[in-house]
Amino acid sequence: KAGVTQTPRYLIKTRGQQVTLSCSPISGHRSVSWYQQTPGQGLQFLFEYFSETQRNKGNFPGRFSGRQFSNSRSEMNVSTLELGDSALYLCASSPRGTYNEQFFGPGTRLTVL
Amino acid sequence: QQPVQSPQAVILREGEDAVINCSSSKALYSVHWYRQKHGEAPVFLMILLKGGEQKGHEKISASFNEKKQQSSLYLTASQLSYSGTYFCGTERAAGNKLTFGGGTRVLVKP
Repeated sequence: KAGVTQTPRYLIKTRGQQVTLSCSPISGHRSVSWYQQTPGQGLQFLFEYFSETQRNKGNFPGRFSGRQFSNSRSEMNVSTLELGDSALYLCASSPRGTYNEQFFGPGTRLTVL
Repeated sequence: QQPVQSPQAVILREGEDAVINCSSSKALYSVHWYRQKHGEAPVFLMILLKGGEQKGHEKISASFNEKKQQSSLYLTASQLSYSGTYFCGTERAAGNKLTFGGGTRVLVKP
């Protein structure tokens, strides 16, 4: 089976811009979760989608949003980018949810200038 | 609330043992362990549910002390391939969000 794929792998944006990241889960996996990873804060949970519904949400401002499509692919959007949004954004998929083994993608490295 | 991992870093010689702890101030339903090598995505190691069970993955095992709300990861007879950052993730109830600790960096030297 193909692993979790994320596009793009690298992004450079400027403050105030908006960005959309994409994640394709492993075939058959219905749960997709997003995490923000920074050196100072570690792995921070953003949200989880299961069968197109947001099931859990982390403590991030409303500028961070996501959605999941009927084929389980997911997108994450960050509006009005801030310097502090620079991070590695990881997507993880699992068959049923975060309480199962999650398979992480390679991540999207976002740099905000 | 983020679980606390200790130590923050550990350096080992091949063949040595180490213990990584993950503590929470809140009651937990489960503890998840992942390892992330430099420049790579985190990889699942194991999940422990409340009940104090112990699990193993190669020579890496873990326990979950429900009374103390603490999990310990045991690296036994460490190998070079064990180097990386170990993260624990905790769930307070089944289906709740997973909250990760700050990570423990492990370096195994020849």
